[in-house]
Amino acid sequence: EAGVTQFPSHSVIEKGQTVTLRCDPISGHDNLYWYRRVMGKEIKFLLHFVKESKQDESGMPNNRFLAERTGGTYSTLKVQPAELEDSGVYFCASSQEFGRGFFGPGTRLTVL
Amino acid sequence: DQQVKQNSPSLSVQEGRISILNCDYTNSMFDYFLWYKKYPAEGPTFLISISSIKDKNEDGRFTVFLNKSAKHLSLHIVPSQPGDSAVYFCAAKETSYDKVIFGPGTSLSVIP
Repeated sequence: EAGVTQFPSHSVIEKGQTVTLRCDPISGHDNLYWYRRVMGKEIKFLLHFVKESKQDESGMPNNRFLAERTGGTYSTLKVQPAELEDSGVYFCASSQEFGRGFFGPGTRLTVL
Repeated sequence: DQQVKQNSPSLSVQEGRISILNCDYTNSMFDYFLWYKKYPAEGPTFLISISSIKDKNEDGRFTVFLNKSAKHLSLHIVPSQPGDSAVYFCAAKETSYDKVIFGPGTSLSVIP
């Protein structure tokens, strides 16, 4: 069974540019989560999809972040325009049962 | 305000000895706790969990202890092996919500 995949693995962009991160969850997993880890600190919750619906987006930092999950399969997280403080590792996780997520390898975003 | 705290950023243990990783939480509504393990350049991997109705859960070399009155949990690894060297994240959630709150992690080094 394929795990959660994320693309790209690394992204280096300049402040003000746009970046789109993609997550492909494990097939059949309705729950999809986005998290972010900044500067080796805690892994912070961003949002949660159940199928194509946003169940909880309380962790989204601001309106420069837009997450979508069209068709309830893969998800994208767009940052536009990117700021320096957006740098970090963005993790995606998926699950069938709540709370026990399978994580992807993460996308390391560097904003210069 | 950090709801899940791991006050030891790092820990070194000799191979074969016990590793004890500690975690404290502040939100009394948390009723489900998880430990994740993370290797460099990989996403966190679920290790073990415990519900608040229990005070101990064991899985092979890994045991998690929960002290609800102290809002404290610990992960014991016995015996420790070099392959256990990783960052360990404590996490917590309320059953009625899907958002998982992570601590900052403890980096464990098991010395051969």
